[in-house]
Amino acid sequence: QKEVEQNSGPLSVPEGAIASLNCTYSDRGSQSFFWYRQYSGKSPELIMFIYSNGDKEDGRFTAQLNKASQYVSLLIRDSQPSDSATYLCAVKGLTGGGNKLTFGTGTQLKVEL
Amino acid sequence: KAGVTQTPRYLIKTRGQQVTLSCSPISGHRSVSWYQQTPGQGLQFLFEYFSETQRNKGNFPGRFSGRQFSNSRSEMNVSTLELGDSALYLCASSLRDGSGEQYFGPGTRLTVT
Repeated sequence: QKEVEQNSGPLSVPEGAIASLNCTYSDRGSQSFFWYRQYSGKSPELIMFIYSNGDKEDGRFTAQLNKASQYVSLLIRDSQPSDSATYLCAVKGLTGGGNKLTFGTGTQLKVEL
Repeated sequence: KAGVTQTPRYLIKTRGQQVTLSCSPISGHRSVSWYQQTPGQGLQFLFEYFSETQRNKGNFPGRFSGRQFSNSRSEMNVSTLELGDSALYLCASSLRDGSGEQYFGPGTRLTVT
């Protein structure tokens, strides 16, 4: 079982719709959860992080965390073509301390006109 | 505030050679992590440095090494290059120790021929 799992996609949504990206993790002791956006040929860009169960909203983005189910999701409202990218879920576990992140393989999102 | 910078941006090397990559973190950030990104394996953690000390190490052979200087700049070295080392090498810096919140540089694209 992979430590962080994401559906590779592509996930296609029409412009203006809600895109829902999901991630599960195996380390029950994981503390912090991050969503990065990566455009083709570019480096990952941090867009959201969440530490506590529940929802966290920032503009069009909402991160949702359910530690009991070991599940993190990212909702993108009013999706735009510029949101087309690969979204990486990353998890910081308990072991080792520091800032080490374990990444999923990413979900490719395509927002269609 | 300037972001994370990495040099060089592109590099072509021959099998058996060695390479040194450089990373300057965001001003004030003392934690620097290195990741390797390949199409097959995704983003994989190499190592993390904090206050000139290696704090975490990923599952990579000893050919991969790094160091951090007193000004928080970091270098990573790969000796005896193999074709499989061709990848995007990403450096990320973090302000808050242990938060996992990391900001990536543009990466160094290494091609081994």
